[in-house]
Amino acid sequence: AQTVTQSQPEMSVQEAETVTLSCTYDTSENNYYLFWYKQPPSRQMILVIRQEAYKQQNATENRFSVNFQKAAKSFSLKISDSQLGDTAMYFCAFMKSGNSGGSNYKLTFGKGTLLTVNP
Amino acid sequence: KAGVTQTPRYLIKTRGQQVTLSCSPISGHRSVSWYQQTPGQGLQFLFEYFSETQRNKGNFPGRFSGRQFSNSRSEMNVSTLELGDSALYLCASSGGATYSYEQYFGPGTRLTVT
Repeated sequence: AQTVTQSQPEMSVQEAETVTLSCTYDTSENNYYLFWYKQPPSRQMILVIRQEAYKQQNATENRFSVNFQKAAKSFSLKISDSQLGDTAMYFCAFMKSGNSGGSNYKLTFGKGTLLTVNP
Repeated sequence: KAGVTQTPRYLIKTRGQQVTLSCSPISGHRSVSWYQQTPGQGLQFLFEYFSETQRNKGNFPGRFSGRQFSNSRSEMNVSTLELGDSALYLCASSGGATYSYEQYFGPGTRLTVT
């Protein structure tokens, strides 16, 4: 079974600053996907960024980028130029890839990091 | 494209009753997954449906069941409600053309059991 650990329950950052959220995972799989989701106070879960494990290049989406270290099983999220609208709970998630059944299409989430962006 | 919709958004039920929640996926998406979110347990996978077939199931008791219709809409049912079933129930759909595995979530149904 896969596990996802987010060691920072809460973090805060000043507007326009950069912040990094940590995530580690444990799996025996070689092919998988990793995600960061954002859940603002409205509770709507929003996909922030994805990373395919077979890709060495770190994913980037505008102000959001990841540092994917496959050997270390680490997947951190960097938010640059933080904005007040980035205030939310951030979840790291794992999904096994492939068509072997079992946990395919099943997301395993970490406990989340509550990020507060201060003006 | 319209997003994932869930109805109802809020629900209050009494212990012992049953409840049915509905989820309409993004148009063209054929996979629907359900998750339970609670403060204590976090986000937990309930089950996933594709083409009206349950492909995956999480570790929940048999009181939790679901189904998917031919138009990919899905329902989940919880029978004999317990206080511990109070949670936010999230539905997600996937099956996009580019990243078919990506899951897009609905706004959730907040279930309160009294």
